[in-house]
Amino acid sequence: DAGVIQSPRHEVTEMGQEVTLRCKPISGHDYLFWYRQTMMRGLELLIYFNNNVPIDDSGMPEDRFSAKMPNASFSTLKIQPSEPRDSAVYFCASSRQGGTEAFFGQGTRLTVV
Amino acid sequence: AQSVTQLGSHVSVSEGALVLLRCNYSSSVPPYLFWYVQYPNQGLQLLLKYTTGATLVKGINGFEAEFKKSETSFHLTKPSAHMSDAAEYFCAVSRGFAAGANNLFFGTGTRLTVIP
Repeated sequence: DAGVIQSPRHEVTEMGQEVTLRCKPISGHDYLFWYRQTMMRGLELLIYFNNNVPIDDSGMPEDRFSAKMPNASFSTLKIQPSEPRDSAVYFCASSRQGGTEAFFGQGTRLTVV
Repeated sequence: AQSVTQLGSHVSVSEGALVLLRCNYSSSVPPYLFWYVQYPNQGLQLLLKYTTGATLVKGINGFEAEFKKSETSFHLTKPSAHMSDAAEYFCAVSRGFAAGANNLFFGTGTRLTVIP
């Protein structure tokens, strides 16, 4: 298995622009998570899905952030409009029902200038 | 509620010396506990995990950790550090059986430096 695949690996955008991060979870996994990693706040869970349904989005910082999972093999995290304080590494992870390990992608490093 | 405290944001050891990274947790239910490692510009990779059963768990690359309920600790150790161990290490807790690996709460991480 190719693991969790995220794209792009790096994104540089101007403040105010829309940014879309993409994730393909491991096939057969029922859960998908979006995390954000910053120096100041460490790793934060933003939102997670179970069987494509958002379960807990309490970690989404603002309405500018939205996440979707249209099918079992694809999810997006969108920021509109982006701001410099959104600069971070965004990780996607997946796990299976009853599993005891979450598998992480390599992350998307977002820089908003 | 679940939370994790990692003592020491930076730890330096000499090559061949003992590695000890500290993690204390708080959980309202019997927890699942994890250690993840992150190499530069990489995602997180699971080192080891405790779910149930034996409290001393062994992971990859010679690491092990012991779940001590009375101390609410899950410290990570390795008898002899190798240069390739230099990375950032994260302790994490989940809500035990009901949550599995879901909704992990991470510590702030400990950056391990290995001195030749």
